[in-house]
Amino acid sequence: SAVISQKPSRDICQRGTSLTIQCQVDSQVTMMFWYRQQPGQSLTLIATANQGSEATYESGFVIDKFPISRPNLTFSTLTVSNMSPEDSSIYLCSVETGGRSYNEQFFGPGTRLTVL
Amino acid sequence: QKEVEQDPGPLSVPEGAIVSLNCTYSNSAFQYFMWYRQYSRKGPELLMYTYSSGNKEDGRFTAQVDKSSKYISLFIRDSQPSDSATYLCAMSGVTGGGNKLTFGTGTQLKVEL
Repeated sequence: SAVISQKPSRDICQRGTSLTIQCQVDSQVTMMFWYRQQPGQSLTLIATANQGSEATYESGFVIDKFPISRPNLTFSTLTVSNMSPEDSSIYLCSVETGGRSYNEQFFGPGTRLTVL
Repeated sequence: QKEVEQDPGPLSVPEGAIVSLNCTYSNSAFQYFMWYRQYSRKGPELLMYTYSSGNKEDGRFTAQVDKSSKYISLFIRDSQPSDSATYLCAMSGVTGGGNKLTFGTGTQLKVEL
C-alpha cells in the first residue's frame, strides 16, 4: 500500500485565480494520477502525471487549464488555472503500486475546492 | 450512455441487513472489477477486486461479476453502522501499468441502528 497526503485539504478561491495542489507519497511510485470528483458524478481522470515528461491528459482536459508537474517519484502538483465556479470540486491524486497484476490504485484524501 | 451505471441511492438499511450494491457496464473490454469505499471527506479505499467473471469473498463482503450480463455486485452481510459510506465500482480493461479506471457515480449507503 501507499500513504498519500495532499495539500491543501480545502480552499475557497476567487474566480480568475489559480490554485496549486500538492500530492506527496511515502514511497517511490511509477504511476501517479489526478482525478476530479464533482457532486453526483463519477470520479473522472484528469491526467496521468509522468515523471520526467509531460503529463498525459484525458479527453476534455488541457494542459493550459490543469498544468501538472512531477519532479520525482514521490511528488506531484496539479494547478487549477483561471478558476471559475464550475471548477468547484474535490481533486484527488492516486498512485498505482508496482509489481501487481491489476490496477490497484491508492487515493489521497482529496482537496475540496470552492470557487466563488 | 455512460460506460458504467450505478444507482446513486441513497440506500438506507437497518443494522444486520444484507446489502446489495450493483453496477452495469457497456464496455465488453473490461476485465478487472473493483469496489472502493469512500467515507465522507476521505479518499476512496480499495475494498474488493475481481478479475473476469466469478465470485470473491472477504469477510462480510462478497463481490460478484457476471460478464455475460455486464453486471457486477457487492454484497455486504450483517451490515454495521461503520459500513455507512459511498461505494464506488470501478473497472479497467488491461493489467497494471497505469491503465485507466472507469468509475461509477457511487451509491451512498446508510446503515441505521
